[in-house]
Amino acid sequence: GAVVSQHPSRVICKSGTSVKIECRSLDFQATTMFWYRQFPKKSLMLMATSNEGSKATYEQGVEKDKFLINHASLTLSTLTVTSAHPEDSSFYICSASPLAGSRDEQFFGPGTRLTVL
Amino acid sequence: QQQVKQSPQSLIVQKGGISIINCAYENTAFDYFPWYQQFPGKGPALLIAIRPDVSEKKEGRFTISFNKSAKQFSLHIMDSQPGDSATYFCAALGGATNKLIFGTGTLLAVQP
Repeated sequence: GAVVSQHPSRVICKSGTSVKIECRSLDFQATTMFWYRQFPKKSLMLMATSNEGSKATYEQGVEKDKFLINHASLTLSTLTVTSAHPEDSSFYICSASPLAGSRDEQFFGPGTRLTVL
Repeated sequence: QQQVKQSPQSLIVQKGGISIINCAYENTAFDYFPWYQQFPGKGPALLIAIRPDVSEKKEGRFTISFNKSAKQFSLHIMDSQPGDSATYFCAALGGATNKLIFGTGTLLAVQP
């Protein structure tokens, strides 16, 4: 149980285009979903926290108009990178906290590798 | 105060040996301390977690030792195997938020 999926697993796009990444909790409902960014050989950097039906809370320094987050249901959150540029190239990972059970647990998705040309 | 310091940055261990990774924190409000394993190109996977009410937790070959007074916790991997080669992250959570604070990671290489 506690499986989180991400789609796509990797995406290559041209500079200036927008890219949507989906995060789904497959076998549980998630009160909260988190979006992280990870640079090569670095730790995970929290970008934003989203709760179903409400606006996402962004970490300091993360542009909310650049990284649009929608948490439409208890099993789906999406991250849209708008007008992507090469510096947005990174590994994006989502996680989800179960509605039932410990509020502390976070189950991570497999990540999405974004390359902006 | 929100930082979690992790060491070493990298670690090489012989097959069958013990791998030890250490973490330290400052925020006494933290009350949940998980360890994650991450393989290249994959998301982190929860290995084991501990809360401050116990000093040790063991699951198979993985053990967390927790020292509340020193605000330190460590991961011990017994009988390390080449398949354990990965990056390990400690983390901490607690207080007013549900945000995980990650350590900087340790790249473990287990040599056959």
